[in-house]
Amino acid sequence: DTGVSQDPRHKITKRGQNVTFRCDPISEHNRLYWYRQTLGQGPEFLTYFQNEAQLEKSRLLSDRFSAERPKGSFSTLEIQRTEQGDSAMYLCASSSLRTMHRDTQYFGPGTRLTVL
Amino acid sequence: GNSVTQMEGPVTLSEEAFLTINCTYTATGYPSLFWYVQYPGEGLQLLLKATKADDKGSNKGFEATYRKETTSFHLEKGSVQVSDSAVYFCALPSPESGGSNYKLTFGKGTLLTVNP
Repeated sequence: DTGVSQDPRHKITKRGQNVTFRCDPISEHNRLYWYRQTLGQGPEFLTYFQNEAQLEKSRLLSDRFSAERPKGSFSTLEIQRTEQGDSAMYLCASSSLRTMHRDTQYFGPGTRLTVL
Repeated sequence: GNSVTQMEGPVTLSEEAFLTINCTYTATGYPSLFWYVQYPGEGLQLLLKATKADDKGSNKGFEATYRKETTSFHLEKGSVQVSDSAVYFCALPSPESGGSNYKLTFGKGTLLTVNP
């Protein structure tokens, strides 16, 4: 079990560009979560998947954001027409409903986005 | 909705000092409670959890007891080390639109610096 991985670890982009992040959860974890963390704050929930179904999206997730988990394994988070306010750490976490620790999430290292 | 209020930092201690980071919560029901730790430039690592009232979670010398009477989950360590320098987050699950109760709500985090 290699843990949750995220790619890239860092992304610098210019305002108006599109960016895409990838998250690979722990193998066979059926829940996958995305959070956003701005400087000096705790992570805030963005969206989550159970298998391939996206079950909830936070109001923080504007129309410029889209997330997918097409085969119920890895997930992508795309931000279109990036704005400076999108600069943050984007964290992915996974969990399994099939174990007694269903409420425990395991986080990846995050993708730090800087929008210039 | 569910929320946590966490002691604001930063906290600066000398090596071998006693650590307390306060966390109080508001919740519907009795969800599990978590402490996560974030080392510089990294994602979140689960430090410990407690699943019901009077449970004590412990790991790496850190402890926290789920207190229903005071709605608290304070983090303690008897003797901190320089390597404990990090940001600590208190968290609890919140209701999801899919009907379950697992997305996490975090406190703002407490920065701990331990000097040799």
